Amino acid sequence: GESVGLHLPTLSVQEGDNSIINCAYSNSASDYFIWYKQESGKGPQFIIDIRSNMDKRQGQRVTVLLNKTVKHLSLQIAATQPGDSAVYFCAENVGAGGTSYGKLTFGQGTILTVHP
Amino acid sequence: DGGITQSPKYLFRKEGQNVTLSCEQNLNHDAMYWYRQDPGQGLRLIYYSQIVNDFQKGDIAEGYSVSREKKESFPLTVTSAQKNPTAFYLCASSYGGLNNQPQHFGDGTRLSIL
Repeated sequence: GESVGLHLPTLSVQEGDNSIINCAYSNSASDYFIWYKQESGKGPQFIIDIRSNMDKRQGQRVTVLLNKTVKHLSLQIAATQPGDSAVYFCAENVGAGGTSYGKLTFGQGTILTVHP
Repeated sequence: DGGITQSPKYLFRKEGQNVTLSCEQNLNHDAMYWYRQDPGQGLRLIYYSQIVNDFQKGDIAEGYSVSREKKESFPLTVTSAQKNPTAFYLCASSYGGLNNQPQHFGDGTRLSIL
């Protein structure tokens, strides 16, 4: 079946650097994407979302880019801090056209480690 | 504060025993979801409910049951038919309807076998 996947399972950066976490999706009908951050022993925390009618969306220190041509999603974190160390998941809504009622398919996750 | 509360945080199950995980939300969300997370993996959908008194199977519903008698509550029962129940269980909720909305998660229940 179609699924969301990540290019890199781990990413290590120095404090202050910018981080880029990538995600590939295979369902061209997906119309809604979310990035989550999960710290050890906790539930995923919403970071930012983007709809398929947009290419870019910015939040506080984060930017999500969507390239529908190659079915690629990325999360950019500016001035990465040790507190950003966590597992990051992308998720897609596989029911395009508003019929899915929020059903999401999650990728495997990328471990981000920020070194002081 | 508004949020999603899961209890207990840790739960142990004996062979042949059913256990129930609690999920309560005060966000006034219509939709609620249960996921299972295994070590080093993403989340897999067990059951979801779009409205009170209605729920649908997700991708891995076998061995699980749910109920949705109240908008705020969506308990998950792990039955003895679930042969590999050890996992981290996450509950989420969101606004329903046709516009996609992000799901917000509780802090999970870790279930282990005695």
